[in-house]
Amino acid sequence: ILNVEQSPQSLHVQEGDSTNFTCSFPSSNFYALHWYRWETAKSPEALFVMTLNGDEKKKGRISATLNTKEGYSYLYIKGSQPEDSATYLCASNSGGSNYKLTFGKGTLLTVNP
Amino acid sequence: NAGVTQTPKFQVLKTGQSMTLQCAQDMNHEYMSWYRQDPGMGLRLIHYSVGAGITDQGEVPNGYNVSRSTTEDFPLRLLSAAPSQTSVYFCATLQQGFPSGANVLTFGAGSRLTVL
Repeated sequence: ILNVEQSPQSLHVQEGDSTNFTCSFPSSNFYALHWYRWETAKSPEALFVMTLNGDEKKKGRISATLNTKEGYSYLYIKGSQPEDSATYLCASNSGGSNYKLTFGKGTLLTVNP
Repeated sequence: NAGVTQTPKFQVLKTGQSMTLQCAQDMNHEYMSWYRQDPGMGLRLIHYSVGAGITDQGEVPNGYNVSRSTTEDFPLRLLSAAPSQTSVYFCATLQQGFPSGANVLTFGAGSRLTVL
């Protein structure tokens, strides 16, 4: 079973602040690293999937980077808005397979107006 | 195109009762899976299937059975419910061809189960 760690566990920021979270994962047998956004009372929705070392993905004000050699990924949110409040989950595939995603426990972001 | 449909949304059981959580998808995805979500634990994989007739265990399979007789359906069965199975259950399918070319999960709306 993979050990996927996320930090911090929770985060409170003011509207307009920029913020970032970390996801660490075992670098051996790496296949892909996923980021999901999970709003309360909804289902997780995919943000990014990254497979190559050095990958950078961007979607509006949210971006992510990947370092497969050292086993970490960063998620950045620029100019946080209240609607960004959600739990952000990262997940990694185990054993070099595209299946059996192992999730971290998530980072709960609260953006105060 | 309904995506991933889970039923029921809510269910209360007594210890020892059995029930089935239904998951249906209309996207022709080969891969389907069940996760449970508990406070402070994140999402944990229960069982998964890579195609009709093929199932495998995930991280926390004990107390749950699955079968995959069709591509569309992947029911999760609790044969004798226990309070430890109180959780929110998510069915998820694998969507191929996400912009990066890798696959991502498409989740159902979730089923909240309480076992008394």
